[in-house]
Amino acid sequence: AQTIHQWPVAEIKAVGSPLSLGCTIKGKSSPNLYWYWQATGGTLQQLFYSITVGQVESVVQLNLSASRPKDDQFILSTEKLLLSHSGFYLCAWSYRGRREVFFGKGTRLTVV
Amino acid sequence: GQQVQQSPASLVLQEGENAELQCNFSSTATQLQWFYQSPGGSLVSLLSNPSGTKHTGRLTSTTVTKERRSSLHISSSQTTDSGTYLCAIGDSGYNKLTFGKGTVLLVSP
Repeated sequence: AQTIHQWPVAEIKAVGSPLSLGCTIKGKSSPNLYWYWQATGGTLQQLFYSITVGQVESVVQLNLSASRPKDDQFILSTEKLLLSHSGFYLCAWSYRGRREVFFGKGTRLTVV
Repeated sequence: GQQVQQSPASLVLQEGENAELQCNFSSTATQLQWFYQSPGGSLVSLLSNPSGTKHTGRLTSTTVTKERRSSLHISSSQTTDSGTYLCAIGDSGYNKLTFGKGTVLLVSP
């Protein structure tokens, strides 16, 4: 069975500090991977997607970057956090060539 | 771009009553998924239903692609059904999902 693990579960970070959020998918090779973000009280929106190792496409510009260093790993990062980065970050995956998307449990980020 | 409208915005039911949630979208969809978002924020996929009717447990989804609408019917609601129900539409090759704002369901005992 496929499992998706996100870390950390929650973070409180200062404005201007760096950030790294991670996601690992086990049990499925070469999945499509996605990062989504939801501001408090807001609508979920896709930030990045990746169909293969080393290849990441940006969907929304939020002064964040993403990387896929391994087939089963997706990293979201920034050098300098803004207050507007606060919210809920969700990693997701889908089978190559199929449409149904599955989500991790998310990371709640508070920037102070 | 794709726009997704969900109605009602909120719904309050007594346990045992049925719920009908609606999702309307503006452009052709290659994927339609209903999700449950828990109060903690995590998403659970309920049904993937880009066309036709699908059932799972107490849930039934009907999508009429030509009319760009989908519904989610929850029968015999339970207090544990309380939460936010999200409709998401996929309409591009890289599987971007556009989400609606959701329907907040509260089921009281």
